[in-house]
Amino acid sequence: LAKTTQPISMDSYEGQEVNITCSHNNIATNDYITWYQQFPSQGPRFIIQGYKTKVTNEVASLFIPADRKSSTLSLPRVSLSDTAVYYCLVGSNDYKLSFGAGTTVTVRA
Amino acid sequence: DAGVIQSPRHEVTEMGQEVTLRCKPISGHNSLFWYRQTMMRGLELLIYFNNNVPIDDSGMPEDRFSAKMPNASFSTLKIQPSEPRDSAVYFCASSDPGGAGVGTEAFFGQGTRLTVV
Repeated sequence: LAKTTQPISMDSYEGQEVNITCSHNNIATNDYITWYQQFPSQGPRFIIQGYKTKVTNEVASLFIPADRKSSTLSLPRVSLSDTAVYYCLVGSNDYKLSFGAGTTVTVRA
Repeated sequence: DAGVIQSPRHEVTEMGQEVTLRCKPISGHNSLFWYRQTMMRGLELLIYFNNNVPIDDSGMPEDRFSAKMPNASFSTLKIQPSEPRDSAVYFCASSDPGGAGVGTEAFFGQGTRLTVV
């Protein structure tokens, strides 16, 4: 599995855009990039997944450059309820999900 | 669908006792995962099943831990005997990878908070 590196923590304020970059230099050709969100006392929840270029859904956007060695999760206009741990995962459909330490995002009023 | 259902939500037991955690995956999902989460070690994959067969149990910490999936709608994680260092939140997740190139998306249960005293 491709190893990922992401910041340990990020602070933001309500209404701001939060961008979390994940490095995955040894990503394989058939690997997808997936982001999960985890609130305290809950299991992780799927946010978004992409292979290349840009993916957007109602929650976030995922930007992936052409070399796919990194990706950036963008959370537009965050609110206090977006305070959570965000995990970047890289893998194919080999059914094995390995979570790293994640990025703790704290949104302040 | 009600999602992945885990029971119990909380379990407090004495050291040396047997503990059984239960999981009902989402209907139709053919992959099931057991994770353990602690502050020190984060989310650790213990074992995953595909079509009820254990595919990778390399994350199971030791022989005290065992997992079974007797059918597509039920799985158990057993710890016998339990020790204080097993205290953690245990999550079960299921997924349906679908066809080639889908990647991975898993749905997690609410977890079981285990405290061994």
